[in-house]
Amino acid sequence: DIQMTQSPSTLSASVGDRVTITCRASQSISSWLAWYQQKPGKAPKLLIYKASTLESGVPSRFSGSGSGTEFTLTISSLQPDDFATYYCQQYDSSRTFGQGTKVEIK
Amino acid sequence: QVQLQESGPGLVKPSETLSLSCAVSVGSISGSFWSWIRQPAGKRLEWIGRINTSGSTSYNPSLKSRVTMSVDTTNNQFSLRLSSVTAADTAVYYCAREHKTMVLDYWGQGTLVTVSS
Repeated sequence: DIQMTQSPSTLSASVGDRVTITCRASQSISSWLAWYQQKPGKAPKLLIYKASTLESGVPSRFSGSGSGTEFTLTISSLQPDDFATYYCQQYDSSRTFGQGTKVEIK
Repeated sequence: QVQLQESGPGLVKPSETLSLSCAVSVGSISGSFWSWIRQPAGKRLEWIGRINTSGSTSYNPSLKSRVTMSVDTTNNQFSLRLSSVTAADTAVYYCAREHKTMVLDYWGQGTLVTVSS
């Protein structure tokens, strides 16, 4: 099984901040990585796939990078709607998710 | 716009089989994989498996012995059966589409299933 580990688990930030979340895979997954945003009581929403491709309709302040075993999700200027939990997911072999990073208001 | 809606019992007894269906509102469900994902309260998402309209399946190895998925192309729906459930199977269960990008681009709203006697 490929294990996915995100850091930090919780991140406190203010509107306008630049935010970076890291996701590490236990083995190389090339660029087969997606990022999702989930708000309480709601289904996850796809933000980025293939490590850096922005899903249609997702604001350009979201960006992804990385390959192999280390990946990042960056929000260039945090907006009120961005306070949520973010999950990475590998789809190189089966599918597994990270434990999530909660972005909360500072 | 693709819409998915889960349905099924919200309460299942231990050792019994959990059965859920997902209705898909789209012209045809051919050409995509259809997936199940679950999330215990306060925990990470767990991929259960996927099926396409040819009946090709792929399951999470940790659940494979207990999972069966099926698809009904006539009624544009697909189903999940999870046998021998325990309290550890209590979770919100989501259905979702996996399209050409191989990621989950449309999700249902989720349905809570509690395993309890």
